[in-house]
Amino acid sequence: AQKVTQAQTEISVVEKEDVTLDCVYETRDTTYYLFWYKQPPSGELVFLIRRNSFDEQNEISGRYSWNFQKSTSSFNFTITASQVVDSAVYFCALEGGNTGKLIFGQGTTLQVKP
Amino acid sequence: ETGVTQTPRHLVMGMTNKKSLKCEQHLGHNAMYWYKQSAKKPLELMFVYNFKEQTENNSVPSRFSPECPNSSHLFLHLHTLQPEDSALYLCASSQVSLGGVYNEQFFGPGTRLTVL
Repeated sequence: AQKVTQAQTEISVVEKEDVTLDCVYETRDTTYYLFWYKQPPSGELVFLIRRNSFDEQNEISGRYSWNFQKSTSSFNFTITASQVVDSAVYFCALEGGNTGKLIFGQGTTLQVKP
Repeated sequence: ETGVTQTPRHLVMGMTNKKSLKCEQHLGHNAMYWYKQSAKKPLELMFVYNFKEQTENNSVPSRFSPECPNSSHLFLHLHTLQPEDSALYLCASSQVSLGGVYNEQFFGPGTRLTVL
């Protein structure tokens, strides 16, 4: 069975704080892909990152960074120096094998206060 | 138009109505998807089309009928819906490589559906 767990339902931080969103996944596939999407109040999911199971290198893109650890089946997302515009729902997703079928976590609502 | 567009953005319908949701992608992709996002459940994949062929039907009730006439357009025909079908319906597209690798999906803004 494939499953994505985002244990944090809601997180509230003050602007400029760093925040980490947790994602734990389950899959029996040896080849899989992990994703993060952002859903602002407008509703559209915005693609942030795609990582395949053979690439455990951490990635940094501006204020965003991702930590992929196969040993703990985790793919955590950190926002450094958060801003009000980062307020959104963030989804972690898993694609097992190569099917195009994304399994989403429940999402974490991030509120960044000024 | 750019990206993935969906119309209408909002739809209210009765249980006996028939309506259709439209999705169009302007990204040159060859795969398209329908997802359902309801308040109490995570995003659920409904259908996958790869090169206009349906490759996935995630146990979706027959009152939802997808149609993919070409790689740029995707429809979701609705009939005899139930109030619990009220949700945000999201369309997405992606590129599938010649080797069959699905790349990341890009989403439209969604259609907010209310069934009375």
